[in-house]
Amino acid sequence: SQELEQSPQSLIVQEGKNLTINCTSSKTLYGLYWYKQKYGEGLIFLMMLQKGGEEKSHEKITAKLDEKKQQSSLHITASQPSHAGIYLCGADYSGNTPLVFGKGTRLSVIA
Amino acid sequence: DAGVTQSPTHLIKTRGQQVTLRCSPKSGHDTVSWYQQALGQGPQFIFQYYEEEERQRGNFPDRFSGHQFPNYSSELNVNALLLGDSALYLCASSSINSGIEQFFGPGTRLTVL
Repeated sequence: SQELEQSPQSLIVQEGKNLTINCTSSKTLYGLYWYKQKYGEGLIFLMMLQKGGEEKSHEKITAKLDEKKQQSSLHITASQPSHAGIYLCGADYSGNTPLVFGKGTRLSVIA
Repeated sequence: DAGVTQSPTHLIKTRGQQVTLRCSPKSGHDTVSWYQQALGQGPQFIFQYYEEEERQRGNFPDRFSGHQFPNYSSELNVNALLLGDSALYLCASSSINSGIEQFFGPGTRLTVL
């Protein structure tokens, strides 16, 4: 089974609506990264969470890491077409080690 | 700050050929990691270089090899290309001392015909 599961696989939301993407790890995380990727392009760093219960925000995107450090959620408020893309979570299990990625969530925002 | 740069942007090769991809890390970073991302999948770790040596390696065959130069830039070489090697190849840089944040380049799209 996958070490890191993302849900949903894809999401279509109307512009202005809120949405949440989840990332669940089978093991305790040292750090959890969120990236955004436009189709076929590189990864854009959004946020990195390390402490249990930590929450970070950037513009209309908020990411949280649960207390047990095994689950993270990414919440977008009042979605816009510019939010469309693939959201990837990446797990660091022991510090400065290669990231293990989920399969991504493809987000479409329709007018 | 130029960030992480990769070249070329796109590449088309035929089965059996060899390919070299290049990466320059973000200024101040000394560690380079390479990832392969197949269509519809998340990136998969190939290997990581630090101080010109391979530090860690993922589950990829020996056809995949790399190198890091004294200026921290890196190359990924793939020999005897297979159709299944078609993917986006991503380079990520980080600093061994200053933290665990990894910054990714725009990637090289490799198509094997």
